[in-house]
Amino acid sequence: NAGVTQTPKFRILKIGQSMTLQCTQDMNHNYMYWYRQDPGMGLKLIYYSVGAGITDKGEVPNGYNVSRSTTEDFPLRLELAAPSQTSVYFCASSSLREEQYFGPGTRLTVT
Amino acid sequence: RKEVEQDPGPFNVPEGATVAFNCTYSNSASQSFFWYRQDCRKEPKLLMSVYSSGNEDGRFTAQLNRASQYISLLIRDSKLSDSATYLCVVATDSWGKLQFGAGTQVVVTP
Repeated sequence: NAGVTQTPKFRILKIGQSMTLQCTQDMNHNYMYWYRQDPGMGLKLIYYSVGAGITDKGEVPNGYNVSRSTTEDFPLRLELAAPSQTSVYFCASSSLREEQYFGPGTRLTVT
Repeated sequence: RKEVEQDPGPFNVPEGATVAFNCTYSNSASQSFFWYRQDCRKEPKLLMSVYSSGNEDGRFTAQLNRASQYISLLIRDSKLSDSATYLCVVATDSWGKLQFGAGTQVVVTP
């Protein structure tokens, strides 16, 4: 049982480049989330989705975009990468009001 | 003011000892409370939910004080494997949108 998978594990981007962080879950969860975690800070919600075709902004959405065409996949798009987007990105999924399951994270450096 | 505040630690604990720490939350409408555990460079994982009456899971005890808006975690008979960062997590929405504290680091030493 894979749970939540994320790719890539690591990535270095140059300023202004774009990339997509992939997230897939095999638990048939309706709810999916993208967080970023900076050193010494709590996880900050970037975007979330309550089901296929439905997405909404979280606390720190600027510079990111998402889509949810299927229940399983919730990719996060970074356009015009900036050094401030250097962080660890976690994808998570859950059923309503239940435990959130996290993927292993993507470590992104923008230089 | 942060939504969820925690003492970052580290709490250095001898193996076998007891350690306890709190977190405070600012939104009095918060509905659900959790402790997550995060190992170094790993993803967070649910340790336990926190119920109004307090609850225990093996060596771990969680308490909720709604009047003072804090939750606590107590670890008894600490093991080396308990070394981790413990994240205080609060849900303010009915569908599970979570607010994370920055975490309390616990280091259990032999």
